[in-house]
Amino acid sequence: SQQGEEDPQALSIQEGENATMNCSYKTSINNLQWYRQNSGRGLVHLILIRSNEREKHSGRLRVTLDTSKKSSSLLITASRAADTASYFCATDQFSTLGRLYFGRGTQLTVWP
Amino acid sequence: DAGVIQSPRHEVTEMGQEVTLRCKPISGHDYLFWYRQTMMRGLELLIYFNNNVPIDDSGMPEDRFSAKMPNASFSTLKIQPSEPRDSAVYFCASSETSGFTDTQYFGPGTRLTVL
Repeated sequence: SQQGEEDPQALSIQEGENATMNCSYKTSINNLQWYRQNSGRGLVHLILIRSNEREKHSGRLRVTLDTSKKSSSLLITASRAADTASYFCATDQFSTLGRLYFGRGTQLTVWP
Repeated sequence: DAGVIQSPRHEVTEMGQEVTLRCKPISGHDYLFWYRQTMMRGLELLIYFNNNVPIDDSGMPEDRFSAKMPNASFSTLKIQPSEPRDSAVYFCASSETSGFTDTQYFGPGTRLTVL
């Protein structure tokens, strides 16, 4: 399966700390995306990194991509209680244009 | 744009009843996806459409599930007859063909409870 796998499954930190989540996948990709899901809501796109990029920033988010290791990481700096959510990585696949393959997600809890 | 619209937001029904979930994608988007999310199985892709044509329905659990997209602005997911194991949150998402970006926009979901 192309499905990405996030690690850890759950992460609990204090406000102000950094949170790092990892994603591994199995086959070649065009791009990798990270999504966030608040409890009871739909997934929301956070950031996309293309296969020819190694790092990308958006506000307090930093994403890295290592295509040789087929892995990505999402770093949230100076976390806030409002960052509490599930975070999913999603990859595409050359043979199935338009479709994304989601992992099971990392549940992040940020304590005030 | 109002985003992806799903209805109803909550549905409680009894086993054996027919359930119809509805989705209005973002205008101009040519892909539509139906997902199911449970604690046990995570987020599962059930079926997706491109330009109103079903592309892959291999994720549909069984013949009790069917999906249609009669036009670019409306899709339905029907379960008949429903069973307790169908209880889940069902999401609709849409995206537009734009090179290889494929960003999907999710609706708020329909929480289905089958008693």
